[in-house]
Amino acid sequence: NAGVTQTPKFQVLKTGQSMTLQCAQDMNHEYMSWYRQDPGMGLRLIHYSVGAGITDQGEVPNGYNVSRSTTEDFPLRLLSAAPSQTSVYFCASSSSTPFEGYTFGSGTRLTVV
Amino acid sequence: KQEVTQIPAALSVPEGENLVLNCSFTDSAIYNLQWFRQDPGKGLTSLLLIQSSQREQTSGRLNASLDKSSGRSTLYIAASQPGDSATYLCAVRQITYSGAGSYQLTFGKGTKLSVIP
Repeated sequence: NAGVTQTPKFQVLKTGQSMTLQCAQDMNHEYMSWYRQDPGMGLRLIHYSVGAGITDQGEVPNGYNVSRSTTEDFPLRLLSAAPSQTSVYFCASSSSTPFEGYTFGSGTRLTVV
Repeated sequence: KQEVTQIPAALSVPEGENLVLNCSFTDSAIYNLQWFRQDPGKGLTSLLLIQSSQREQTSGRLNASLDKSSGRSTLYIAASQPGDSATYLCAVRQITYSGAGSYQLTFGKGTKLSVIP
């Protein structure tokens, strides 16, 4: 059971470039979400999804797009990378009951130069 | 807006000591509270999940307590080992019906624990 898998683990982008961070889970979880972790700021929610075809914005959505065409996958797209998007990105998933805990991926460390 | 605070931000203890990490939250309308461990450069590993109706949960040398009415949780680590060195994060899942609401975890900024051999 792989849990939540994120790729790539590390990425360096130039300002203005675009890229997609991949996230896949094999637990048949309905809920998936993306967080970013910054020093002194803790983890903040970027976007979330409550099922295939349903996504919504979190606390810090600007500059990011998401889609969810399958239960398993929830990619995060950076449209035009900015240095302010330098961060560690975590994908997480949970079942539909709020009484379950969340499972996190191992993260993607992104640097925008 | 829910706010989660973890004190202290850093803690250094000698090996073998028992220790307590603290987490407080401002809104007691929560489904549950989850404790995570994060090693440097790594992801979040779930340690314990404690439901709002529970008082405590135990896993090995770890014991988490929850006092929802006072907005506090503690993580007790018995007989600490150098391998326990990591950052410990607590997060609450809130009962709310607006926005990201109950789908979102609100995190504290963590306590960085160092266990000295």
